[in-house]
Amino acid sequence: DIQMTQSPSSLSASVGDRVTITCRASQSISTYLNWYQQKPGKVPELLIYGASSLQSGAPSRFSGGGSGTDFTLTISSLQPEDFATYYCQQSYTAVFSFGPGTKVDIK
Amino acid sequence: EVQLVESGGGLVQPGGSLRLSCAASGFIISDHYMDWVRQAPGKGLEWVGRTRNKPKRYTTEYAASVKGRFTISRDDSKNSLYLQMNSLRMEDTAVYYCARITYSRSNAFDLWGQGTMVTVSS
Repeated sequence: DIQMTQSPSSLSASVGDRVTITCRASQSISTYLNWYQQKPGKVPELLIYGASSLQSGAPSRFSGGGSGTDFTLTISSLQPEDFATYYCQQSYTAVFSFGPGTKVDIK
Repeated sequence: EVQLVESGGGLVQPGGSLRLSCAASGFIISDHYMDWVRQAPGKGLEWVGRTRNKPKRYTTEYAASVKGRFTISRDDSKNSLYLQMNSLRMEDTAVYYCARITYSRSNAFDLWGQGTMVTVSS
């Protein structure tokens, strides 16, 4: 099975900051990499699919990149509503797997 | 409204069984693969398993942690998905979400239910 890792596990940032989260797969997954946002007590929501495609309704300040084994999620200007946990997930193999999550909180 | 609604969660003793249901509305599940994902309290997301649709003969996949104990099924006529959980362990305690896979979105989960809580405890 493919193992997913994320870094950092948590970060503190201020409103307006540019934030980048990294996700790494244990083997190549092409661009079958998706990003989800989960706010406390809420259901996860799809942000980015196919490594770089913005889900309908997601703010344009979110962007994704990468291919193969290394991927990034970037928030260009952090907003108060962006404080949440972010998960990457591979959909390359029949057995899906998630990264452990990156918690973004207020500095 | 396009939505998924889970039900059937509750408290069960170790070794017991529980069956979760997921009712879809606003779309037809026969067009989609459907998965279950769980989240233990304070922990991250864990993929549980999948049921494919009729063209793929309703085949299933499971995470190693639940294989042989959990069974996923679907009833397209009821537009519903099920998760039969047997031989439950304390580590199965989690919120269980059903989620829709959409091919055109890189097989991502583009729709989630609100989740149902399963607590395994004596």
